[in-house]
Amino acid sequence: DTGVSQDPRHKITKRGQNVTFRCDPISEHNRLYWYRQTLGQGPEFLTYFQNEAQLEKSRLLSDRFSAERPKGSFSTWEIQRTEQGDSAMYLCASSRDRGHGTIYFGEGSWLTVV
Amino acid sequence: GEDVEQSLFLSVREGDSSVINCTYTDSSSTYLYWYKQEPGAGLQLLTYIFSNMDMKQDQRLTVLLNKKDKHLSLRIADTQTGDSAIYFCAESETGNQFYFGTGTSLTVIP
Repeated sequence: DTGVSQDPRHKITKRGQNVTFRCDPISEHNRLYWYRQTLGQGPEFLTYFQNEAQLEKSRLLSDRFSAERPKGSFSTWEIQRTEQGDSAMYLCASSRDRGHGTIYFGEGSWLTVV
Repeated sequence: GEDVEQSLFLSVREGDSSVINCTYTDSSSTYLYWYKQEPGAGLQLLTYIFSNMDMKQDQRLTVLLNKKDKHLSLRIADTQTGDSAIYFCAESETGNQFYFGTGTSLTVIP
């Protein structure tokens, strides 16, 4: 069990650029989640996948944000036309099926938009 | 059910017990969790409790759940300097979305 892996760990980008983050979940986990965390706050739900299907997405997200999990293994989180308000840590997590109920987080990817 | 509240700061002396409190509003919460986050790192699952339980003990950690008052607490016995971190309470009704509190920053004084 190697844990949830995220890449890159840190990214600095100019406003208006596109960025993409990658997440590799724990290998036997079917579910994959994306969360966002800003300083002084708890993680905020963004979206989750069951295998390759994206089942739920936060109503607060604009169409600048998208996630994919094409083969039900790794996932990518993309932000288009970044804004300064997008600066945050983007956390990926994974879990077995819903019945187990516990999710395991990666170390996070820090995004700074300048 | 998305309001999860925690006090922001707690300071204890090394060797004492720490008690971190959390209140939530969603009476449908099925799972309740405690996570630990060290500076610049992701969240580490410490323990969890199902809503049909009142208490769960795991080594130095004791979780108490008062479902009537929607109150969850985490007690850390014999607190060590390595326990200094931010502790997040989280709840989930379905096991799909998880709602986190703002975190309690625990400082352990040597």
